[in-house]
Amino acid sequence: NAGVTQTPKFRILKIGQSMTLQCTQDMNHNYMYWYRQDPGMGLKLIYYSVGAGITDKGEVPNGYNVSRSTTEDFPLRLELAAPSQTSVYFCASSYSGQGLLQPQHFGDGTRLSIL
Amino acid sequence: GQQVMQIPQYQHVQEGEDFTTYCNSSTTLSNIQWYKQRPGGHPVFLIQLVKSGEVKKQKRLTFQFGEAKKNSSLHITATQTTDVGTYFCAGQDSGYSTLTFGKGTMLLVSP
Repeated sequence: NAGVTQTPKFRILKIGQSMTLQCTQDMNHNYMYWYRQDPGMGLKLIYYSVGAGITDKGEVPNGYNVSRSTTEDFPLRLELAAPSQTSVYFCASSYSGQGLLQPQHFGDGTRLSIL
Repeated sequence: GQQVMQIPQYQHVQEGEDFTTYCNSSTTLSNIQWYKQRPGGHPVFLIQLVKSGEVKKQKRLTFQFGEAKKNSSLHITATQTTDVGTYFCAGQDSGYSTLTFGKGTMLLVSP
């Protein structure tokens, strides 16, 4: 069972470059999330999606964009990379029924450094 | 917005000692979940609590949800080196589609 798959696992970017972090899930979950985790800190929500074609901002959306054209895929785009975006990025998915969020399944993460 | 506070930030215990981490929300929660993250790994779901005053056990781990549904705790009895990692609580406000994570409690267990 693949679960949530993130690519790439590691990446180094130069300031001002752009890139897309890929995330795909094979559990037919309706909800998907992007988090960033800085050293010693918790998870901060960047963007989330409650279904294909629907996305919404989380706590720290600035500098990022997302799209959700299919149930399976939820890519995260960095347009102009800045050193403050150096972090570990986690994608997660879950099912929600009757308003109650079910457990989130996380990918292995993408470790991103902006130099 | 909703805030979830978790204490302590860090705890170092000797193997065999007990460990407890506490989670407090600024708002009433419909749902609280606990996750464990091993060093270098990703968060892994442990348990979900929904009912006021709920207590659930998983072997040496005991999870509680407060009567007011604003606080929760995780207690580990007789820690083992395999318990090492960071434990996060995550709460869902009623009507919201997201979880708010606490900053986590890092547990180190010395043999």
